[in-house]
Amino acid sequence: DAGITQSPRHKVTETGTPVTLRCHQTENHRYMYWYRQDPGHGLRLIHYSYGVKDTDKGEVSDGYSVSRSKTEDFLLTLESATSSQTSVYFCAISGPSGGESSYEQYFGPGTRLTVT
Amino acid sequence: TQLLEQSPQFLSIQEGENLTVYCNSSSVFSSLQWYRQEPGEGPVLLVTVVTGGEVKKLKRLTFQFGDARKDSSLHITAAQPGDTGLYLCAGASPRDDKIIFGKGTRLHILP
Repeated sequence: DAGITQSPRHKVTETGTPVTLRCHQTENHRYMYWYRQDPGHGLRLIHYSYGVKDTDKGEVSDGYSVSRSKTEDFLLTLESATSSQTSVYFCAISGPSGGESSYEQYFGPGTRLTVT
Repeated sequence: TQLLEQSPQFLSIQEGENLTVYCNSSSVFSSLQWYRQEPGEGPVLLVTVVTGGEVKKLKRLTFQFGDARKDSSLHITAAQPGDTGLYLCAGASPRDDKIIFGKGTRLHILP
């Protein structure tokens, strides 16, 4: 299994509070991704990173921001959580270490976020 | 917008039966991946297909990429309860390199 962890694994928060989810990898992969998974919608890309300090928006980026200050860490922040952001969030990595992109992704175990 | 349509959405069959699930698009993909996801876990990569017409086998699972690289199928022979899960296909667009996922086929194998 790829060395990829997410924290926290579960979180319950109130509407309007800031929330940060962390993804940590030990594989030195260049590309990192944040997805949300919801019934009826499948996996949808929120943001992704193609290197330290290099990030781009995905399909459903509104209300989310990301940061990547080190190769191994990719943070997802909900500045002011809303109930529509209740979801399961997955981090993924891809690409050979330090090399070009690979389309094969390796996923973390997920974070279940509930916004009340 | 490129879409990947998976069918059927749900499938429940008896242990020992064969089944095929599909992943279709009107667009061409440079490669396509299949993943399996079990409850409470992240998706796990099963296979990548790249060449049109390519067939790959993984034990009782057979994956095929369409000749035109617009569709793919997954065939399971003699299904077992351990095959139960959500099967996702994902395609990489040759235009912008972005990966999109289908909504998945939820498979349940009854013992």
